[in-house]
Amino acid sequence: QKEVEQNSGPLSVPEGAIASLNCTYSDRGSQSFFWYRQYSGKSPELIMFIYSNGDKEDGRFTAQLNKASQYVSLLIRDSQPSDSATYLCAVKLGNNNDMRFGAGTRLTVKP
Amino acid sequence: DGGITQSPKYLFRKEGQNVTLSCEQNLNHDAMYWYRQDPGQGLRLIYYSQIVNDFQKGDIAEGYSVSREKKESFPLTVTSAQKNPTAFYLCASSIGGPGELFFGEGSRLTVL
Repeated sequence: QKEVEQNSGPLSVPEGAIASLNCTYSDRGSQSFFWYRQYSGKSPELIMFIYSNGDKEDGRFTAQLNKASQYVSLLIRDSQPSDSATYLCAVKLGNNNDMRFGAGTRLTVKP
Repeated sequence: DGGITQSPKYLFRKEGQNVTLSCEQNLNHDAMYWYRQDPGQGLRLIYYSQIVNDFQKGDIAEGYSVSREKKESFPLTVTSAQKNPTAFYLCASSIGGPGELFFGEGSRLTVL
């Protein structure tokens, strides 16, 4: 079992719709959870982080964490074509703080 | 401006040669990381260091070596023992603990 798993996509949504990205992780001791956006050929940039169970909202983005189910998600409301990118879920493991990434979900927002 | 600088941005290497990728940060971060990314795939951890003069292997350390002699610097050497070195290499740093990673712009290595 991979430590961090994501659906690779591609995920396609129309402009203005809600995009939902999902991620599961295997290490129950994981402390912190991150969503990065990566445009083609560029390095990842942080979108959101979440440490506690529940929802965390920042503008059009909402991160959701359920530690019991070992599940973290990212919702993008009012999706824009500029949101088209690969979204990487990252988890900082509980044992030694190294960061592990999922394979990423490629999102396309169609005008 | 604070940040992470990777060099070179593009590098071509002949088979059998070692190459060293530079990573420097002025964020005063304790932890530094090296990841490899292949086309259409996520990031795989090569090595990481949480403190000067100490580093740990990640999932794919074979064929790579690192050093951490200074807090600001974490160079990665891709040795001839690495069988498939063509990839996009990303260096990152973190304040440590549960904090997020900050990435450099990456180095794209191509083996001819």
